[in-house]
Amino acid sequence: DAMVIQNPRYQVTQFGKPVTLSCSQTLNHNVMYWYQQKSSQAPKLLFHYYDKDFNNEADTPDNFQSRRPNTSFCFLDIRSPGLGDAAMYLCATSRDRNSGRTLAKNIQYFGAGTRLSVL
Amino acid sequence: SQKIEQNSEALNIQEGKTATLTCNYTNYSPAYLQWYRQDPGRGPVFLLLIRENEKEKRKERLKVTFDTTLKQSLFHITASQPADSATYLCALDIRGSTLGRLYFGRGTQLTVWP
Repeated sequence: DAMVIQNPRYQVTQFGKPVTLSCSQTLNHNVMYWYQQKSSQAPKLLFHYYDKDFNNEADTPDNFQSRRPNTSFCFLDIRSPGLGDAAMYLCATSRDRNSGRTLAKNIQYFGAGTRLSVL
Repeated sequence: SQKIEQNSEALNIQEGKTATLTCNYTNYSPAYLQWYRQDPGRGPVFLLLIRENEKEKRKERLKVTFDTTLKQSLFHITASQPADSATYLCALDIRGSTLGRLYFGRGTQLTVWP
């Protein structure tokens, strides 16, 4: 089945120790997103890629970086995790909105998430 | 300022009843409105999408309404079951946005008890 896979499911890191979260997809979607979600809060968009074009949200801290080496993979790097970065990190994909003659529905397909703990 | 509000953080209903969840928004002009289901420790899963020019959409036991005058969407689950217990998120897809950005509400946690 086509899907979005995040690894690891659970990640424990120490304060200030860099960590990388990974996401892969078999849907062949152009767009990939990274969200941060804290308990009982809305998913907060950190950044997204349209193909290789990187789009950063204005309020995403510099501590968060991303790489997309190819269509299938996307990584979230947290350079110096703080206690406030403990959260669920969600990867999602969607089709190119401009594919076809009409604006494609922007349905997003999410991975199961990575729960990050910072000690 | 822009806001998306979903009714009360938690909704508890008895099995067999209809659950009605509300999504209100201000200072947005959504072209589409979507509903997602999120189970604990999992990512959201898409359920239904409704366009700005549609009043109602149905899928099995689910029904969504969209009133752009009231700036509100209602999400109904009829004949609710304990398996419907989850958090339900609404998301706005803004008119004119070509990059596909969605704006999510914080969700309503639904518990259906036997």
